[in-house]
Amino acid sequence: GIQVEQSPPDLILQEGANSTLRCNFSDSVNNLQWFHQNPWGQLINLFYIPSGTKQNGRLSATTVATERYSLLYISSSQTTDSGVYFCAANQGGKLIFGQGTELSVKP
Amino acid sequence: DARVTQTPRHKVTEMGQEVTMRCQPILGHNTVFWYRQTMMQGLELLAYFRNRAPLDDSGMPKDRFSAEMPDATLATLKIQPSEPRDSAVYFCASQEAGVYNEQFFGPGTRLTVL
Repeated sequence: GIQVEQSPPDLILQEGANSTLRCNFSDSVNNLQWFHQNPWGQLINLFYIPSGTKQNGRLSATTVATERYSLLYISSSQTTDSGVYFCAANQGGKLIFGQGTELSVKP
Repeated sequence: DARVTQTPRHKVTEMGQEVTMRCQPILGHNTVFWYRQTMMQGLELLAYFRNRAPLDDSGMPKDRFSAEMPDATLATLKIQPSEPRDSAVYFCASQEAGVYNEQFFGPGTRLTVL
C-alpha cells in the first residue's frame, strides 16, 4: 500500500519564526489533507489540497501531485500553533496518515 | 455549527468488559469512518460505511470488534471482550457524498482497558 512520510519528526521554534513541513507519498493519490492535532487531542482540518496552493491566514499549503509531495508553511508562528501536524493521503476513499511532525513553539 | 460528535469522550474499563463507542456524523454526510490512534501504530483506519452499508472492515480485529450503523445519524463501534492492547483513542470521521471528499473528525473516545 501507499506509504506517507513526514519530515521533520520534531521541530522546535521560537515564536515569530517560519517553518516548512514536508509530506512525501509513494503513489498517486486522489486527494491530500493536512490536520493539526492540538494538545487536547482534537484533529483540526487545515487544508484539503489534492493539488496546487491554498492559503489560510498564516498557513499555506502546496501539493505537487506529479512529484508526490506536499508542503505546509507556517509563518510568524505562535505558541497556539504547537501540537502535531499530520498529512493524510486519500487513496481509494481511505485516508493513510503519516507519522506526524510534532511542533513546539516557545514564547 | 456542524460537527461530528462522539460519546463517551473517556472510558476506563477492565479487561473482558464490553465497550461501546458512539458517533453522530455531520448531518447529510453519507460516509462514516472509524480510526484508531496509538503511539506505536499512529492513526489507522478500522472500518467505514457508505449509506449505512459496511464497505471495508479489513483494519478491524474481527474476533472482538464490530461496527454497525443502525441509522443515518448513529454509528457504533463495539469491543467484546476488551483487552489492554485495545487502549487507544478511537476517532470517528464523516464525509459527504463523493469518494474523495474531505473527511471531518470527531473529538475521539479515549479508551483505557486495565
